[in-house]
Amino acid sequence: GAGVSQTPSNKVTEKGKYVELRCDPISGHTALYWYRQSLGQGPEFLIYFQGTGAADDSGLPNDRFFAVRPEGSVSTLKIQRTERGDSAVYLCASRGQGSTEAFFGQGTRLTVV
Amino acid sequence: GDSVTQMEGPVTLSEEAFLTINCTYTATGYPSLFWYVQYPGEGLQLLLKATKADDKGSNKGFEATYRKETTSFHLEKGSVQVSDSAVYFCALILTGGYQKVTFGIGTKLQVIP
Repeated sequence: GAGVSQTPSNKVTEKGKYVELRCDPISGHTALYWYRQSLGQGPEFLIYFQGTGAADDSGLPNDRFFAVRPEGSVSTLKIQRTERGDSAVYLCASRGQGSTEAFFGQGTRLTVV
Repeated sequence: GDSVTQMEGPVTLSEEAFLTINCTYTATGYPSLFWYVQYPGEGLQLLLKATKADDKGSNKGFEATYRKETTSFHLEKGSVQVSDSAVYFCALILTGGYQKVTFGIGTKLQVIP
């Protein structure tokens, strides 16, 4: 596609439930990032994929968070046993090989009630 | 680790005023520097970038110069418009290898007529 696509755009879930957030990067982009943005804050790094593998997952806050990118394109961020503190906008970005510019999606607004 | 420090907002200016948003960085390597903008209700967009020392990035009347000696990348615009009201994020990425984008906390700009 023309840009980074994230679905759903909004997700409301109950505390304790499991959620999956999807990211479709720009076609051909090898690098893919997940960030979390809380109200009034800058994007906080979660995980970075280069191809299919997680090159850096140091930003995942705990083991309830997990992300995959099985074919090196689409990625899914998975959150187990959601907590109210997980409420935020989850951003995905992709970057082409040899480029320094990351392109961001519109984000998924997750609300845990 | 790598970090970006930018002035806290909100910044409120009258239309046609001069804008400066300060940004300084700390990096273990040699970074590329960026300003991203987030308009109300929209996703992050790249505003401008600079990839080496003394480079000047510019777009939509905004400018920022990569100053290695002061580790700074201040954003400036000579005459702001109401439509410039947004949140501005300074960011860096280290060149080479598997690297993440590191963001500042964001500076909210409000331009009043």
